[in-house]
Amino acid sequence: DGGITQSPKYLFRKEGQNVTLSCEQNLNHDAMYWYRQDPGQGLRLIYYSQIVNDFQKGDIAEGYSVSREKKESFPLTVTSAQKNPTAFYLCASKPGQPYNSPLHFGNGTRLTVT
Amino acid sequence: GESVGLHLPTLSVQEGDNSIINCAYSNSASDYFIWYKQESGKGPQFIIDIRSNMDKRQGQRVTVLLNKTVKHLSLQIAATQPGDSAVYFCAENRQAGTALIFGKGTTLSVSS
Repeated sequence: DGGITQSPKYLFRKEGQNVTLSCEQNLNHDAMYWYRQDPGQGLRLIYYSQIVNDFQKGDIAEGYSVSREKKESFPLTVTSAQKNPTAFYLCASKPGQPYNSPLHFGNGTRLTVT
Repeated sequence: GESVGLHLPTLSVQEGDNSIINCAYSNSASDYFIWYKQESGKGPQFIIDIRSNMDKRQGQRVTVLLNKTVKHLSLQIAATQPGDSAVYFCAENRQAGTALIFGKGTTLSVSS
């Protein structure tokens, strides 16, 4: 089955610790994205990458970092600088072309920081 | 800043009714729009999309209408079923090389 795998589904960390969320896709998609979702809110863009070894900041990139060393993988690190890290994190991907095509989403990682 | 928004945060309907979920967008340069369905604890699922050169597009039990004059998008679900209960998001793509911008979502509750 082709798809996007996010792991783990639930993640708990202590304040002050960095944590890395995994996102893997076997859809052969060029572009990958990270969104954050808070209760009752829409999705806000953290980072996106349209090609390996390149990525751009989204609307709320502060306190987060990413890497794109492989086409299949786009891990997100939530650093201790992120003031409100508790949220539901969604990874998505899509083909590089055409640009007007839908995102395919994983089932998310719920991060709780105490 | 500009964003995609929705008119109502919640919508309650009876099973078998038709549902209409609305969305207003503010950027006239947006040329691609998508509706997603999100069930609790899961990622959003693609429902239907429409490009700005169209006014209407139909899928299975769903229709998306685009009114560029008033910058309004709607999703119509025919014969709504309990399995349609979820949060529905509209999203817009403003230009090539950028990412989708999402609205806040409408929670659809279907009672039988």
